Amino acid sequence: EPEVTQTPSHQVTQMGQEVILRCVPISNHLYFYWYRQILGQKVEFLVSFYNNEISEKSEIFDDQFSVERPDGSNFTLKIRSTKLEDSAMYFCASLDRGNSPLHFGNGTRLTVT
Amino acid sequence: SQQGEEDPQALSIQEGENATMNCSYKTSINNLQWYRQNSGRGLVHLILIRSNEREKHSGRLRVTLDTSKKSSSLLITASRAADTASYFCATDEDFGNEKLTFGTGTRLTIIP
Repeated sequence: EPEVTQTPSHQVTQMGQEVILRCVPISNHLYFYWYRQILGQKVEFLVSFYNNEISEKSEIFDDQFSVERPDGSNFTLKIRSTKLEDSAMYFCASLDRGNSPLHFGNGTRLTVT
Repeated sequence: SQQGEEDPQALSIQEGENATMNCSYKTSINNLQWYRQNSGRGLVHLILIRSNEREKHSGRLRVTLDTSKKSSSLLITASRAADTASYFCATDEDFGNEKLTFGTGTRLTIIP
């Protein structure tokens, strides 16, 4: 069964550094998402992306964050200048059509030191 | 209470027993989904129930939805040790954008 893949599985970075988290959504899906989960807390919506543009973003998704779909397969999340509080598990998800299940990747654990 | 709040927060049962988890939400929804998360791992989709449905089954899973009470329950029958995980409900309340709002989760432990 097709799946969403994320790389790397674990990323350690120093505060102030830029990180790029990568995702390959399921190939025929049209909607793409990033969520994050701080350790021990609930999964939080960051941003949704459709038709090559952001369709919605949360308050968390400030100017330090950006997303891109540089080609037909990859979907990336960039954090320009990481903070300690950005440490979390970041999940990519994709969806083929409305009112159907979201398919999540296994996540990238980001540790900011 | 928050959108998508599960109870109990933690549940321990003996293998073979049934486990019931509840979820309450506050707004109108398009659908409600249940996900499982093993410790430190990704989110696995279990079942989706649409707002016009009242009950859905998938293997050992049974989900109910009561839109008048804004609540849902997930029943896992004949539990197994491998069912040990956190279970989250997530509501799709944004018609068209399919953004999910997750609950706080129920940590289920199955005792062999």
